[in-house]
Order: sequence, then structure tokens, then C-alpha cells
Amino acid sequence: DAEITQSPRHKITETGRQVTLACHQTWNHNNMFWYRQDLGHGLRLIHYSYGVHDTNKGEVSDGYSVSRSNTEDLPLTLESAASSQTSVYFCASSSGTGAEQYFGPGTRLTVT
Amino acid sequence: AQTVTQSQPEMSVQEAETVTLSCTYDTSESDYYLFWYKQPPSRQMILVIRQEAYKQQNATENRFSVNFQKAAKSFSLKISDSQLGDAAMYFCAYLKWNTPLVFGKGTRLSVIA
Repeated sequence: DAEITQSPRHKITETGRQVTLACHQTWNHNNMFWYRQDLGHGLRLIHYSYGVHDTNKGEVSDGYSVSRSNTEDLPLTLESAASSQTSVYFCASSSGTGAEQYFGPGTRLTVT
Repeated sequence: AQTVTQSQPEMSVQEAETVTLSCTYDTSESDYYLFWYKQPPSRQMILVIRQEAYKQQNATENRFSVNFQKAAKSFSLKISDSQLGDAAMYFCAYLKWNTPLVFGKGTRLSVIA
């Protein structure tokens, strides 16, 4: 069955370190998204991609970067982790506009 | 920018009763999509129901139905015969063509046995 996976599921890192969160989907979807979820804020969009080599900034992109070298993967990099980036991160994918977004299980990141 | 407002941070319902979660959105578009997602304690995001704005008929999925009022920009979710497994965070979301989903801040639903 097709799926979307995220790794790691939990990570603790120190302030200033570079961190990469992996997202891999086997749906063959063109569209992929990264969100962060914080209490009182719902899900906020960090970056998204509509295809290979396409990336776009979302609402809260500062301090994050993505690159899309193939259809299946959209890794999220925190260049220099900050305590404000402690959050739960969700990756999602969809086949196109209006289509359901399928979400990964989430990664809980703690920056100490 | 589009905004989605869920005015009820928390709701509760007795088991087997009916509850309605509210959602309003702001848009100048005429063609768009609306969604309700459920997030149980497992954290997994699950699509509950989807509505296309050009369709006047309200979407239904088993015990879940929506009241879509396009002119009022309102999209409420009704859960009938509530079950303990319905306890979760519920997110309303808006999507227009070629742009990402915009989520509301969520409503936490508790189901009382």
C-alpha cells in the first residue's frame, strides 16, 4: 500500500545544530508540504513543492529550507536549530488541487 | 490571504448525542474546496469530509455531515450518534486552486460516556 513516512519520529537536538527531517511518500504525488503544529496555532505551512526542483515558502519559513530532487522525498532542514522551533512537524502530499492531502505520522522535535 | 476561523476551542458531547463544530472562512474566490480533518491522540491527521464549493449539496460521510453556507462563508461539521472514538482535535481547512491548504486553529472535542 502507498504511504507517507517521516523519520525520525522523535528527536532532541541542541540549539545551533543543523537538523534534517525526512519525508518519503510512495503515492507518486507531485505536491508535498511541510507543516508545524503548536498549541493554539493549528497547523502552519513551512514550505511546499509542486514538483521536482520546485519549492515555495509558506507562512513560517524563516530558519527552514527544503529541496526536491525526486518525486518521493522532501527533506526539511533547520539550518541552526532554535528553541522556538520545538514543535511537531508534519509532512503531507497530494495528487493535485482539490485532492485530499495525506499526512505522515509527524516528528516531535525538541530543541534544548 | 485566506483565513479560517474555528470559534470554539473546545466542545463536549454526550455519547450518542449530536454535536456541531463551527467554521467560517474568508475568501473572494468562487471556486474552492473545504475540508474537515480529525486528529486523534495518536496525532495522525485523518480526512473526515470534503466539500467542493461549486456543489450546493452538502457532503455526508456516514455519521458526519456538513452544513455548507457559501454566501455566509460557513462550513460546520455535524457529528451524529457521537462515539467515544470521535474524541479528537478537528481542523477545518480551505483550499483554492494551486495553493496550499489553510487550516483553522482547531476544536478539541470531548465525548462523555
